[in-house]
Amino acid sequence: LAKTTQPISMDSYEGQEVNITCSHNNIATNDYITWYQQFPSQGPRFIIQGYKTKVTNEVASLFIPADRKSSTLSLPRVSLSDTAVYYCLVGLRKSSARQLTFGSGTQLTVLP
Amino acid sequence: EAGVVQSPRYKIIEKKQPVAFWCNPISGHNTLYWYRQNLGQGPELLIRYENEEAVDDSQLPKDRFSAERLKGVDSTLKIQPAELGDSAVYLCASSLSRTGGVEQYFGPGTRLTVT
Repeated sequence: LAKTTQPISMDSYEGQEVNITCSHNNIATNDYITWYQQFPSQGPRFIIQGYKTKVTNEVASLFIPADRKSSTLSLPRVSLSDTAVYYCLVGLRKSSARQLTFGSGTQLTVLP
Repeated sequence: EAGVVQSPRYKIIEKKQPVAFWCNPISGHNTLYWYRQNLGQGPELLIRYENEEAVDDSQLPKDRFSAERLKGVDSTLKIQPAELGDSAVYLCASSLSRTGGVEQYFGPGTRLTVT
């Protein structure tokens, strides 16, 4: 079971790049790494998913080292609207309910 | 394309009363998930459906919770009787069966308050 560990909170200023790291030492060979964003009173929103190396989309980049025991979500030039909780989830669509239960996430606060 | 639809958005009931939540997933998404999110915590997966089959309900409190997904589309989660500790946000999510990863799409959730 790939348990994940993230910082509880992070602060940043508008316009800066933010990197949030997730540790998952027990990641299984077939597991994917998926990141979600959640605003208050909303359901989590899928941001990005990767298996190895680097993945980039229009909102974020995901860096995964060769051993895959951690991953880093990179948000370029954050704005106030990026203030949210960010979750990393490790597993497969068919993983167990216990594995697909989210951790406590990282509260990112973007300051003006 | 419409997202995951949930209703009601808010529900207040007294303890020992029954309550039901409804979810309509994204069209074509065969996998459906029900999560419970307590204040300040991440979502906890209660049950996962593949089409109409419940394939993992290991974290569903079966003494009072039940779920169904007739015809493999809409789903209902029920609590009977509700307890004070059931106050939480109940989230429904869906995903495509052909994807291997955990790319889920969540609805807005139903906030349940048990008094």
